[in-house]
Amino acid sequence: ELKVEQNPLFLSMQEGKNYTIYCNYSTTSDRLYWYRQDPGKSLESLFVLLSNGAVKQEGRLMASLDTKARLSTLHITAAVHDLSATYFCAVDVSSSGGGADGLTFGKGTHLIIQP
Amino acid sequence: DSGVTQTPKHLITATGQRVTLRCSPRSGDLSVYWYQQSLDQGLQFLIQYYNGEERAKGNILERFSAQQFPDLHSELNLSSLELGDSALYFCASSVGNRRNTIYFGEGSWLTVV
Repeated sequence: ELKVEQNPLFLSMQEGKNYTIYCNYSTTSDRLYWYRQDPGKSLESLFVLLSNGAVKQEGRLMASLDTKARLSTLHITAAVHDLSATYFCAVDVSSSGGGADGLTFGKGTHLIIQP
Repeated sequence: DSGVTQTPKHLITATGQRVTLRCSPRSGDLSVYWYQQSLDQGLQFLIQYYNGEERAKGNILERFSAQQFPDLHSELNLSSLELGDSALYFCASSVGNRRNTIYFGEGSWLTVV
């Protein structure tokens, strides 16, 4: 059974600081997704990482994937209050063609950025 | 706005009842997924349809069923509802290519009393 573990699960940090969220998974996969969720809202897609060594950046967020280590990271640079949210990583291990099977999500990292 | 439309947004019903949640995927998307989000279980994959056919099944209870219609919209039917079924139910869609983004709808809040 695929397990996806995120850490930390809770993170309180100050504006202007840097931090990294880690996502480990237990089964070989080359497809990893990062989502953001605000309280009571939908999941907003942040990054789709599709190969070993993939690195994507959007604003203050940067995500990377190491399929050999089964590890993805989400790095936050010079955090601002607007980045406060819950961040999820999700792994797809389907082997069937034609479409992704269900994603397995981590428990989420609840991030609070204080002024 | 992701382009995935879910109705109803909120629903309160009694134990033992049956409800239907509806989802319209993004235009052009062939895959529809259903997820359940609760405080104790987190985000759990329930089921996926691709172009009308069931593609994958996750932790979906036997009391729950789903289908995807020829116009690609999907319905999730929840029956014999229990208090523990109270959750946020998300529909998501994608083009169907394994390398594409999966977009989530706003969710349907179900409260069972």
